[in-house]
Amino acid sequence: QVQLQESGPGLVKPSETLSLTCTVFGDSISSYYWSWIRQTPGKGLEWIGYIYYSGSANYNPSLKSRATILVDTSNNQFSLKLTSVTAADTAVYYCARGEVLRYFEYFDYWGQGVLVTVSS
Amino acid sequence: SSELTQDPAVSVALGQTVRITCQGDSLRTYYASWYQQKPGQAPVLVIYDKNNRPSGIPDRFSGSRSGDTASLTITGVQAEDEADYYCNSRGSSGDHLIFGGGTKLTVL
Repeated sequence: QVQLQESGPGLVKPSETLSLTCTVFGDSISSYYWSWIRQTPGKGLEWIGYIYYSGSANYNPSLKSRATILVDTSNNQFSLKLTSVTAADTAVYYCARGEVLRYFEYFDYWGQGVLVTVSS
Repeated sequence: SSELTQDPAVSVALGQTVRITCQGDSLRTYYASWYQQKPGQAPVLVIYDKNNRPSGIPDRFSGSRSGDTASLTITGVQAEDEADYYCNSRGSSGDHLIFGGGTKLTVL
């Protein structure tokens, strides 16, 4: 059974960098696409970006180059760094496994999510 | 537009059929995936591609597309189907992913 688990600080100060790690259990990270998705309290889902095991990444343009996703195949993990955070970045952050094909994509396994609050 | 638009809320009587829609220009080219999210839980994939269900998803869930609108249909709604439903597809450029705003389904 595939499981994903997010880890990282639950509190980040404004203007600092948010750093999260997702550990994948029950599957090799050397296949599929690995994504970060967030959900602001009481609101909808926002795709942050994904990375393929080869290291090729794609990001949501709205994040204006603040996001970086890296993959660590030796530890079966991938990570998210989001720089210059503000209160608007307060959200539940999910990591997810997915597939991105020519005419569709999907996320079939998700972590349980981690709440990150941006506050001084 | 690069957005996906969903009705904020829909209600349906127990045992009836409900259609949840997702509208956007990109859906003329790309298929939508659909996710069910219950309070305090991560989203769960229910439909992807033309009309595929992951293992474990009941066959009362089905998907379709017409023009710029994708639909999730639940036939014979059960009480446990009460949840938020999100569609997901591509932005208009086709190179980034987007979610609809979500539809809160209430089962009466």
